[in-house]
Amino acid sequence: DIQMTQFPSSLSASVGDRVTIACRASQTTSTYLNWYQYKPGRAPRLLIYAASRLHSGVPSRFSGRGSGTDFTLTISSLQPEDFATYYCHQSYTDPWTFGQGTKVEIK
Amino acid sequence: EVHLEESGGGLVQPGGSLRLSCAASGFTFGDYRMGWVRQAPGMGLEWVASVFTNGGTVYAASVQGRFSISRDNSQNTVSLQMSRLRVEDTALYYCAKYLGGDCSDGGCYSLGSWGQGTLVTVSS
Repeated sequence: DIQMTQFPSSLSASVGDRVTIACRASQTTSTYLNWYQYKPGRAPRLLIYAASRLHSGVPSRFSGRGSGTDFTLTISSLQPEDFATYYCHQSYTDPWTFGQGTKVEIK
Repeated sequence: EVHLEESGGGLVQPGGSLRLSCAASGFTFGDYRMGWVRQAPGMGLEWVASVFTNGGTVYAASVQGRFSISRDNSQNTVSLQMSRLRVEDTALYYCAKYLGGDCSDGGCYSLGSWGQGTLVTVSS
């Protein structure tokens, strides 16, 4: 199975900060890498697919980069509604696997 | 607008069975792969199973042989039949629709829409 490791596991940031979350795969996932936002009690929300493509309706402050084994999700200017947990997800091989999540908290 | 609504969760004893359903609307159901993802209490997301447009299926090793995913294109529903349930199957179960579209860079294999989830508790 491909292991997905996110770092940091949590971070504290202020509104307006630039935030970057990293995700590393134990073997290549090409560009089959997706990012989701999760808030308790809400449906998970796709933000970025194919490593760098912005999903419909997602604000442009979200961006993704990478290919192979190393990926990043960046929020250019953190907004109050962005405080949540973020997961990376590889859909390159079965079984699909997710990172352990990065919780973004208010500083 | 895509809408997915799960049902069928509840409390069940270890070794018991439960059937989850997901009603889909807002898109041409038969054209999309569908999947189930779960989140155990205090844990992250875990993919469970997927069903393809041709009815083919694939499962996580942790549920292989105990869970069965199926779809009914006439009713726009996807189901997850769970048997021989274990305490560790306790989780919020989400139904999700594949994004579809261009597969050249893998984008079609992301999960573009999700339901709100249904809670399964396995406990004696």
